[in-house]
Amino acid sequence: QKEVEQDPGPLSVPEGAIVSLNCTYSNSAFQYFMWYRQYSRKGPELLMYTYSSGNKEDGRFTAQVDKSSKYISLFIRDSQPSDSATYLCAMSFINDYKLSFGAGTTVTVRA
Amino acid sequence: GAVVSQHPSWVICKSGTSVKIECRSLDFQATTMFWYRQFPKQSLMLMATSNEGSKATYEQGVEKDKFLINHASLTLSTLTVTSAHPEDSSFYICSARPAGLAVNNEQFFGPGTRLTVL
Repeated sequence: QKEVEQDPGPLSVPEGAIVSLNCTYSNSAFQYFMWYRQYSRKGPELLMYTYSSGNKEDGRFTAQVDKSSKYISLFIRDSQPSDSATYLCAMSFINDYKLSFGAGTTVTVRA
Repeated sequence: GAVVSQHPSWVICKSGTSVKIECRSLDFQATTMFWYRQFPKQSLMLMATSNEGSKATYEQGVEKDKFLINHASLTLSTLTVTSAHPEDSSFYICSARPAGLAVNNEQFFGPGTRLTVL
């Protein structure tokens, strides 16, 4: 069993739709949870981070963490074609800087 | 701010040669840099953690003699793939963690280097 599970998709949605992405994990000691966006042939860029459980909103993006279920989510509202990318979840322990990544979900937003 | 560059962005080499990839933090100092490898349609796999002025820490299964890492300054880490073979062809990405108090374990990623070994 992988430490972080993420459905690779692909996921295709029409412009304006809500994109829903999620990851599950097995190690309850993870405390930091992040979502990265990666365009083709580019390095990942940090979109959202959350410490422990809870929700966080930033513009069109909402990140949720449910530690009791070991489940994290990212929602993208009013999706745009420019949101087409691969989205990676990542997580780390509180005193360890190493990140454990999910496989990434490829999202296409159709104009 | 928080820009990380990599050079070269892509490289093609012959089997048996060595290739050096540079990772630079342009506007901050990084005591810790990480090297990842990413195969097509797969996630990032951490290869090693590089600390300025000390030996790198390699992940299990990564050959330290094949992937030489040097972190000689607070803004530069290099990865040298020695005696490269076609199976080493991959996308190599570095990330840097700012020195001092870093918020939320944040790392900033470089744009990646695509290595093709013929």
